[in-house]
Amino acid sequence: EDQVTQSPEALRLQEGESSSLNCSYTVSGLRGLFWYRQDPGKGPEFLFTLYSAGEEKEKERLKATLTKKESFLHITAPKPEDSATYLCAVQAGVTQGGSEKLVFGKGTKLTVNP
Amino acid sequence: SAVISQKPSRDICQRGTSLTIQCQVDSQVTMMFWYRQQPGQSLTLIATANQGSEATYESGFVIDKFPISRPNLTFSTLTVSNMSPEDSSIYLCSVRWVNTEAFFGQGTRLTVV
Repeated sequence: EDQVTQSPEALRLQEGESSSLNCSYTVSGLRGLFWYRQDPGKGPEFLFTLYSAGEEKEKERLKATLTKKESFLHITAPKPEDSATYLCAVQAGVTQGGSEKLVFGKGTKLTVNP
Repeated sequence: SAVISQKPSRDICQRGTSLTIQCQVDSQVTMMFWYRQQPGQSLTLIATANQGSEATYESGFVIDKFPISRPNLTFSTLTVSNMSPEDSSIYLCSVRWVNTEAFFGQGTRLTVV
């Protein structure tokens, strides 16, 4: 069964304290890995797509990397506005309707204190 | 990208009643989905909303409990029927095109009392 595990479940950082979030996956035939940001009371907001091991994507203070078994979301010099839940999803398998299926992790809740 | 309007944004309902959630997209989309996000759990796919035909449900979800309509390529509804407290959750509408990322509505936070 396809699985996505995110760690840690929660992370508290001081402003400017860099760190990384982990997303490990067990899927048969990865066809894409996605990172999302979710603020309280809102739907997930797309951040990155990664398709192959060694690939990296950057956006402002965020950098996503991918290996054959896991992905990391590196946060450099975070600010309080980076506080959110970060979700990882892998595209693997198909839905009952025959379309590409996304399998989500439970997320990492990041809090950045000023 | 897509702008997805979902309503209501939240509701408190009595057990045994039903709630219909609407999802409106600002452009025609190939694929529309409904997800459930329970506290502390990952997003779980409920079903694929098929335009002009019956929705396709994932394992553990049935049409009698979660009837879905999709009359055109920009609109869908999800009904949560005969609600119980266990149905308290966030329900999310999502859209995708082939080989693209998924876009989400802001969600409907449902509390059943």
